[in-house]
Amino acid sequence: DVKVTQSSRYLVKRTGEKVFLECVQDMDHENMFWYRQDPGLGLRLIYFSYDVKMKEKGDIPEGYSVSREKKERFSLILESASTNQTSMYLCASSFLELFNEQFFGPGTRLTVL
Amino acid sequence: AQSVTQPDIHITVSEGASLELRCNYSYGATPYLFWYVQSPGQGLQLLLKYFSGDTLVQGIKGFEAEFKRSQSSFNLRKPSVHWSDAAEYFCAPNFGNEKLTFGTGTRLTIIP
Repeated sequence: DVKVTQSSRYLVKRTGEKVFLECVQDMDHENMFWYRQDPGLGLRLIYFSYDVKMKEKGDIPEGYSVSREKKERFSLILESASTNQTSMYLCASSFLELFNEQFFGPGTRLTVL
Repeated sequence: AQSVTQPDIHITVSEGASLELRCNYSYGATPYLFWYVQSPGQGLQLLLKYFSGDTLVQGIKGFEAEFKRSQSSFNLRKPSVHWSDAAEYFCAPNFGNEKLTFGTGTRLTIIP
């Protein structure tokens, strides 16, 4: 079975802290994605990556950065966390072709105080 | 502009009743179309997908969806819901690039 794992299920941080969210997939997928999920807004794409060291901005990249040093790992970084970044963060991965489904991790519920 | 709409924020149905969740999109061509389900506290799981061919597609857990080009719709259906179907459902077209565009979701509540 495809497995996408995220480093934490729940995380509580303080305003101004640097936050790292880690995602690992075990299916040799080329594409990896970070979304945030908020009630009434669905999933919004923050960043995605189609290859090691490659990244593309999604719909809401402001306040976030990403890192992909290895094919299986994609990190989301909040350089200086703010309260409006309190959300559910979902990682996903897929093969390169457009018709391939995305496989999702269980999510990280981040609270910024 | 490309967009997806799920008009129903919340639907309540009785166990054993039929279900239809609506999804409409705006795009100049036929997108790749996906339906995902998110059970409470879980990530998203693919229910079914449509690329071309037969416009009625079967998925997991007894779900099906019908693509209607004239209506730009891809509605999800199930003949008889079970209590375990209570979840949030997302329609997600791919408009010809690497990304999925997710609808805002429909939360399904099942009453006994």
